[in-house]
Amino acid sequence: QSVLTQPPSASGTPGQRVTISCSGSSSNIGTNTVSWYQQLPGTAPKLLIYSNNQRPSGVPDRFSGSKSGTSASLAISGLQSEDEADYYCAAWDDSLNGPEVFGGGTKLTVL
Amino acid sequence: EVQLVQSGADVKKPGESLKISCKGSGYSFTSYWIGWVRQMPGKGLEWMGVIYPGDSDTRYSPSFQGQVTISADKSISTAYLQWSSLKASDTAMYYCARLMYISGWYIANWGQGTLVTVSS
Repeated sequence: QSVLTQPPSASGTPGQRVTISCSGSSSNIGTNTVSWYQQLPGTAPKLLIYSNNQRPSGVPDRFSGSKSGTSASLAISGLQSEDEADYYCAAWDDSLNGPEVFGGGTKLTVL
Repeated sequence: EVQLVQSGADVKKPGESLKISCKGSGYSFTSYWIGWVRQMPGKGLEWMGVIYPGDSDTRYSPSFQGQVTISADKSISTAYLQWSSLKASDTAMYYCARLMYISGWYIANWGQGTLVTVSS
């Protein structure tokens, strides 16, 4: 069971706006920033959002992140077929002496 | 351009040892934490541990403490993940990852992955 909780699946049609939630606790999301990663089928994950809402260069502005309290969300607007992938949230956890914790991942299907 | 290039896929028998590698380039290897992430077949991502090549400070996730060893050779900008006695349950894709800190930690770069298959 993952420390951060994500819905296992999400779906939308092309052009729609989809949001993926990530729920944590005071020791992780509540006190630390959240990052999001996209994993296309058969490939390594890729950074999508860091510091809750910052996009690395090259990531389209259709992708946006937000955080409130112990939860975070990833929003994808203008959904495209190439957005079909697994999405993972992550955050540092102060109760662990080590690296970040991941959410269980959300499989996004573009109908 | 930052690159993390991992060693190739490997097939081992239970009980055998293995050491896989991750060579960093395009950045100061000794100045950033680098770690390993496991992805079992059809499953999600799990942090295993991290190392700071500058002073070899190493931290393990509780689930992997004592199960694997993470090391680095800064002279050749390479991090390693090793097992002394593999189990079938170690079959997975393993990614190395470079951490950065801007207001908080995140994985800025990923290796291409190394598939490890353990089967008798």
